Amino acid sequence: DIQMTQSPSTLSASVGDRVTISCRASESISSWLAWYQQKPGKTPNLLIYKASTLESGVPTRFSGSESGTEFTLTISSLQPDDFATYYCHQYRAYPETFGQGTKVEMK
Amino acid sequence: EVQLVQSGAEVKKPGESLTISCKVSGYNFMHYWLGWVRQVPGRGPEWMGNIYPDDSDIRYNPSFEGQVTMSVDRSLNTAYLHWTSLKASDTAVYYCARHGVDHGVTPKGFDSWGRGTLVTVSS
Repeated sequence: DIQMTQSPSTLSASVGDRVTISCRASESISSWLAWYQQKPGKTPNLLIYKASTLESGVPTRFSGSESGTEFTLTISSLQPDDFATYYCHQYRAYPETFGQGTKVEMK
Repeated sequence: EVQLVQSGAEVKKPGESLTISCKVSGYNFMHYWLGWVRQVPGRGPEWMGNIYPDDSDIRYNPSFEGQVTMSVDRSLNTAYLHWTSLKASDTAVYYCARHGVDHGVTPKGFDSWGRGTLVTVSS
C-alpha cells in the first residue's frame, strides 16, 4: 500500500497567516493527489485535485503544489472559515489511501 | 445538481446484518466510479472500495474485502454496502462519494459526497 504521511498533525495559526500543510507519499503517485477540508460533523469537501488543480468554487487562497513525492497545500491568507481538518488522498493506485489529517486551529 | 442521499443512522448488535444505501441523482450514475469511505469519529477517512455501476466492476480495499459487499441497483440509481455479521469495530460513519472526472478525462478524487450514515454496533 502507498502510505501518505501528513505533517504537521496540528497547526496553530491566526487569521491572515500563510499556512502550509505537507503530505509525503511512500512511492510515486505521479500527480494523482487530492486535498479535502473537513469540519466537525460535516462531509469532506474537495479543494484540490491532480495535485494543483483548484476545484470549481473553491477560493483562490487555496493552492496545491508537488515536488516528487512531496505535496503541499497552501492557504495564502487564513480566513475564519478555514479552521478545519485537512486530508490528502492518493488515487494513483489501489488501495487508495488518505493521510492522517492536519487540524488547523486558532492560535 | 449532483446529490448523493444516504440512508439513516443504524444501531445494531454484534452479529447482525445490515445494508446501507446511497441514492444518486443529477449525473449519469452508470459512468462514474462510486466509492465507500469509512471514518471512525476522531480519525481520518479510510477507503473501503469503489464500484463502477455500469458493469458492477468492484475494487475492494484488501482490509475490507470479505467483510463487506458492495452492489448497485441500476434501475434505482442506488448503491449499497452490506455486512452479513457486524462487529463492534464496524462502528463508524460510512460515506458514499463520487469519483469525479474533469472534462471526461482527468480523475479528480471524490468530488461529491453523501452526508454519511452513522452505524453503531453495540451489545
